Amino acid sequence: DQQVKQNSPSLSVQEGRISILNCDYTNSMFDYFLWYKKYPAEGPTFLISISSIKDKNEDGRFTVFLNKSAKHLSLHIVPSQPGDSAVYFCAARGTNNAGNMLTFGGGTRLMVKP
Amino acid sequence: DAGITQSPRHKVTETGTPVTLRCHQTENHRYMYWYRQDPGHGLRLIHYSYGVKDTDKGEVSDGYSVSRSKTEDFLLTLESATSSQTSVYFCAMAQGRGNTIYFGEGSWLTVV
Repeated sequence: DQQVKQNSPSLSVQEGRISILNCDYTNSMFDYFLWYKKYPAEGPTFLISISSIKDKNEDGRFTVFLNKSAKHLSLHIVPSQPGDSAVYFCAARGTNNAGNMLTFGGGTRLMVKP
Repeated sequence: DAGITQSPRHKVTETGTPVTLRCHQTENHRYMYWYRQDPGHGLRLIHYSYGVKDTDKGEVSDGYSVSRSKTEDFLLTLESATSSQTSVYFCAMAQGRGNTIYFGEGSWLTVV
């Protein structure tokens, strides 16, 4: 059973508008969450993260929101740009994780139309 | 500044043959990982290492083995490749516990 889920495999947004990517998790031991961005034929690159002690973290056009009670996080991109078109992966890490491992969702392909 | 490189980047091999993928990092990071990416599954952990000669299994370790004889190198071996192991393989590294994980550029493996 997937512990981290991204229920929307794809999302299409007009340039300049807001993109909202969603992620749900089931493991209450997760205490740190990350978003990675992946372009075709490249490795995933770290985008932004949030600790479970916070409910929001902002970095430029990117903001991640965490709702622990709902076990839900979202990534907001404002304004969206064509260069943001990529696959976005949500990832989570648990407490007492000796291997520092991440559990990933299935990814959401974002397409930003000019 | 790659910091982490994978080889080969592309490989086609026949069913039943052994295959080794190499990951090399220049950052002296303690943790190294091998993930595979498949449609609909995201990235799934195969094996990881938390130090030289210290390795452990991940979520999808069957059919794979790893070795880490030096800090900078983490090898993934498919002992007898099967078509289900056709995938994109990503190596990753992290400086320490709680640190961000950084990925290599991937190795595309096709088993025919």
